[in-house]
Amino acid sequence: GQQLNQSPQSMFIQEGEDVSMNCTSSSIFNTWLWYKQDPGEGPVLLIALYKAGELTSNGRLTAQFGITRKDSFLNISASIPSDVGIYFCAGLSGSRLTFGEGTQLTVNP
Amino acid sequence: EAEVAQSPRYKITEKSQAVAFWCDPISGHATLYWYRQILGQGPELLVQFQDESVVDDSQLPKDRFSAERLKGVDSTLKIQPAELGDSAMYLCASSLRAGSEQFFGPGTRLTVL
Repeated sequence: GQQLNQSPQSMFIQEGEDVSMNCTSSSIFNTWLWYKQDPGEGPVLLIALYKAGELTSNGRLTAQFGITRKDSFLNISASIPSDVGIYFCAGLSGSRLTFGEGTQLTVNP
Repeated sequence: EAEVAQSPRYKITEKSQAVAFWCDPISGHATLYWYRQILGQGPELLVQFQDESVVDDSQLPKDRFSAERLKGVDSTLKIQPAELGDSAMYLCASSLRAGSEQFFGPGTRLTVL
């Protein structure tokens, strides 16, 4: 089946630093989604990308849909303590959503 | 309502017992999904409904799992009998239509003893 390789697995940063994480796949996706999940909660949609090359921002978050349609990255600028959590990329093909394994982000105040 | 609702939030049961989870999708969303998430991994699809019909249950362990969405609105996922390996977070999601972005509920954390 389809697999997404998400990296890094974990990040430990200082408050105020910028963060970058990415996902790559051997398959093409029509849509890339980025979610954040807090402990014991469901994933919350952060950004949706619909076209190859698209660059979209949501506050301090910026994400891009790779030209090849096989990759995407998420940047978080000026991190704050509430950015702590697990970030998942997800590729949508038809109606099937495939998730990466997540990036655990820790922000030290 | 603008959120996916799930209940219960937590469930502890003994193996061989039956458990059931309930989901109410965002109003107007035709497509409903049940996912299972094991700690440290991303969610994996169990079953997808389009209105009241199952359109993908290829990953649902049908010997013990069942799902229904009788009126095309809310849905129930059942496990009978529960096994130790079923301990996980069970997530419900909905989308306006198949192929559009999916919104998740808070999940049900199941522990099987």
